[in-house]
Amino acid sequence: DTAVSQTPKYLVTQMGNDKSIKCEQNLGHDTMYWYKQDSKKFLKIMFSYNNKELIINETVPNRFSPKSPDKAHLNLHINSLELGDSAVYFCASSQEVGGGAKTQYFGPGTRLLVL
Amino acid sequence: DAKTTQPTSMDCAEGRAANLPCNHSTISGNEYVYWYRQIHSQGPQYIIHGLKNNETNEMASLIITEDRKSSTLILPHATLRDTAVYYCIVRVGNQGGKLIFGQGTELSVKP
Repeated sequence: DTAVSQTPKYLVTQMGNDKSIKCEQNLGHDTMYWYKQDSKKFLKIMFSYNNKELIINETVPNRFSPKSPDKAHLNLHINSLELGDSAVYFCASSQEVGGGAKTQYFGPGTRLLVL
Repeated sequence: DAKTTQPTSMDCAEGRAANLPCNHSTISGNEYVYWYRQIHSQGPQYIIHGLKNNETNEMASLIITEDRKSSTLILPHATLRDTAVYYCIVRVGNQGGKLIFGQGTELSVKP
């Protein structure tokens, strides 16, 4: 069973289009994240949600809008895609409330290519 | 910005121990040291974490210096499948804490 899953795995689209990436975790965690890994391989946090509430919003263009319909899902919608949005997007989850390691578990990534 | 410093790359012979160093001289008293790795084209994978004491699990050992300003991740018997980028991360915050990834160490395990 996949703990953190993302769809699609690959996404090729034209500049200016609007697209969504979906993430689901079956670990019962209360916090979910989106990270972006650019062509230089740097991984950076974009957003974090705890129990459907936005708690981290890094300096990300307004074209990126996360949505959490429930605590097991965190989707990422991107409007007016630009060439610079091409990257690998990773979803992650962790259990933040309570004791424990607060380990983050990552999904397999969504490879977005904007042409 | 990342609060850790790691060598850019390292080589290790298959079957030997891989010792990956990390400096975190500005670590705060309540911050943990986490290690993750990213095998090519996959999502980052948790390895181990610690606060003060040395830790060991089925994947690796973590040695933290007494002043907590540096640590070493040890893979006791490296295999080819351990080839990956290894990230040493100091955990920021307690609730909804983001992970700040640096450049990591690219470990190549060679036959």
